[in-house]
Amino acid sequence: AQKITQTQPGMFVQEKEAVTLDCTYDTSDQSYGLFWYKQPSSGEMIFLIYQGSYDEQNATEGRYSLNFQKARKSANLVISASQLGDSAMYFCAMRETGAGSYQLTFGKGTKLSVIP
Amino acid sequence: DGGITQSPKYLFRKEGQNVTLSCEQNLNHDAMYWYRQDPGQGLRLIYYSQIVNDFQKGDIAEGYSVSREKKESFPLTVTSAQKNPTAFYLCASSSPVDSNQPQHFGDGTRLSIL
Repeated sequence: AQKITQTQPGMFVQEKEAVTLDCTYDTSDQSYGLFWYKQPSSGEMIFLIYQGSYDEQNATEGRYSLNFQKARKSANLVISASQLGDSAMYFCAMRETGAGSYQLTFGKGTKLSVIP
Repeated sequence: DGGITQSPKYLFRKEGQNVTLSCEQNLNHDAMYWYRQDPGQGLRLIYYSQIVNDFQKGDIAEGYSVSREKKESFPLTVTSAQKNPTAFYLCASSSPVDSNQPQHFGDGTRLSIL
């Protein structure tokens, strides 16, 4: 079974609108972390936001927020007031820390296109 | 500025040839990682190292080798045994002490077969 599932291969959003990118995860660990990265066409991976499994508040970083629903094992990324520069691939990733490892497992990504 | 430097940006490999991708970091991170990304796919872990002189296989280590002789450096060799090496390779580093800290990535190397 996939550990990280991103069900939206591609998404379109109008400039200045909000958009939600879905991510569900599968783990039996109690302690884990969830990350979102942005990958522009140039290829670099840009860290956006982090949510720990024990964090009670949803994480926010500027225009990015993470809608964390632990019981449903979902960690959706919300981008508010979309900008043309938000057009990129977005990857959800999980770090399971129970075994003392710090590896990340990535989903297959969602390609976001912002329309003027 | 602190960061991760990958070189070269583009690399071409002939049949039967080994090639080495460079990854250097000045973030003082203990852990370093190599990922492979195929078109339209997520990242898959090739090798990782949590400390100097130690490294572990990831999910797709066959046909690759690494070394970790210095904290700052984690080169990846794509050997001739890797039959489908064409991909985008990303190096990353992190501080394992702070498990909530993200992995930092280099700008990647695009490898193609001639």
